[in-house]
Amino acid sequence: AQSVTQLGSHVSVSEGALVLLRCNYSSSVPPYLFWYVQYPNQGLQLLLKYTTGATLVKGINGFEAEFKKSETSFHLTKPSAHMSDAAEYFCAVTITGGFKTIFGAGTRLFVKA
Amino acid sequence: GAVVSQHPSRVICKSGTSVKIECRSLDFQATTMFWYRQFPKKSLMLMATSNEGSKATYEQGVEKDKFLINHASLTLSTLTVTSAHPEDSSFYICSARFSYEQYFGPGTRLTVT
Repeated sequence: AQSVTQLGSHVSVSEGALVLLRCNYSSSVPPYLFWYVQYPNQGLQLLLKYTTGATLVKGINGFEAEFKKSETSFHLTKPSAHMSDAAEYFCAVTITGGFKTIFGAGTRLFVKA
Repeated sequence: GAVVSQHPSRVICKSGTSVKIECRSLDFQATTMFWYRQFPKKSLMLMATSNEGSKATYEQGVEKDKFLINHASLTLSTLTVTSAHPEDSSFYICSARFSYEQYFGPGTRLTVT
């Protein structure tokens, strides 16, 4: 069965510092991996995705993530945090050819001035 | 990119009444849509998978007679919360599947008084 684990329900960084949000998944078949961002009282916005090909994927707002099969990880990073990055971030996995997407519990990112 | 709308964005209803939430894919046809429920500061919980022209598939623990789903066309799915109670108050988010991706609506905040 698929599962997604996001380490750390809250992450706090200073403005300009590196952002690292961790995500590990469990899947018996190659998955599609996603990161979404959610601002208060809004739906989810896709940040980036991995399906096939290059394992380092770049998304919007300067975010990127690297698929590491050996570590079953898909951590999200951004070199320099901005105040506007403060939000809830969800990692998600869809099995190849599947219809369901499983979400992690979410990580709330706080950015300090 | 693909756009999914939800209506209404907010609704307040009295206990015992029914509320209908609409989810529309605006620029693509979606044979599959999903309904999620999100509790405060929690992740998304998949309630059901809505398939155009057929019955919805409900997740374990979700009452299908309480949460009625209809997917009558390739661009519209509706969720009706019947005989609403205060514990049904939540943020409901729909998504529409296009290829291997899901596109999310902005969500509907339901408050049952």
